[in-house]
Amino acid sequence: DVKVTQSSRYLVKRTGEKVFLECVQDMDHENMFWYRQDPGLGLRLIYFSYDVKMKEKGDIPEGYSVSREKKERFSLILESASTNQTSMYLCASSLPPLDTQYFGPGTRLTVL
Amino acid sequence: DQQVKQNSPSLSVQEGRISILNCDYTNSMFDYFLWYKKYPAEGPTFLISISSIKDKNEDGRFTVFLNKSAKHLSLHIVPSQPGDSAVYFCAASDSGAGSYQLTFGKGTKLSVIP
Repeated sequence: DVKVTQSSRYLVKRTGEKVFLECVQDMDHENMFWYRQDPGLGLRLIYFSYDVKMKEKGDIPEGYSVSREKKERFSLILESASTNQTSMYLCASSLPPLDTQYFGPGTRLTVL
Repeated sequence: DQQVKQNSPSLSVQEGRISILNCDYTNSMFDYFLWYKKYPAEGPTFLISISSIKDKNEDGRFTVFLNKSAKHLSLHIVPSQPGDSAVYFCAASDSGAGSYQLTFGKGTKLSVIP
């Protein structure tokens, strides 16, 4: 079974803080993804990575950065958190050639 | 522009009856389609997929139908159970593009009434 874990289920931060969200997968998957989910907007892709140290912008990368130093770990960084970044953040991984993505449990981030 | 559309934000079905969730797409290059199920405060769970070389794929109570000419797919759940109450996301990919990305619909919230 694919297992994707995220460092926190719930997180509360202050405006302007630097926030790190960690994701780890244990199935040697090459591709990893960060999404945010908001009511009525579905899942929106922030960044993805198809290899160590590689990253690609998704649909809404503004205000975010990522880091992938090891194959199993993909971090999402909010350099200076803002209230409009309050959301559910979801990490996923997949193994080419299949595009099926497997998701972690999500991190509910609240920025006050 | 939305390339994957789920036009029904919500659906209510009686327990034991059939649930039919619909999804339309506009990108003719999409050739792989997936359904995910999501409970509140949890990540989406992969449910079932279908390649464009097929028009039907079945897994237990779940069947996905693909109509390529209409650019339409549907998920049938028979019989529906209260535990099926969740948000269902349709997703699609162009596997030939090598981009590895999925394009998601906005979801349909299914409520199965006991």
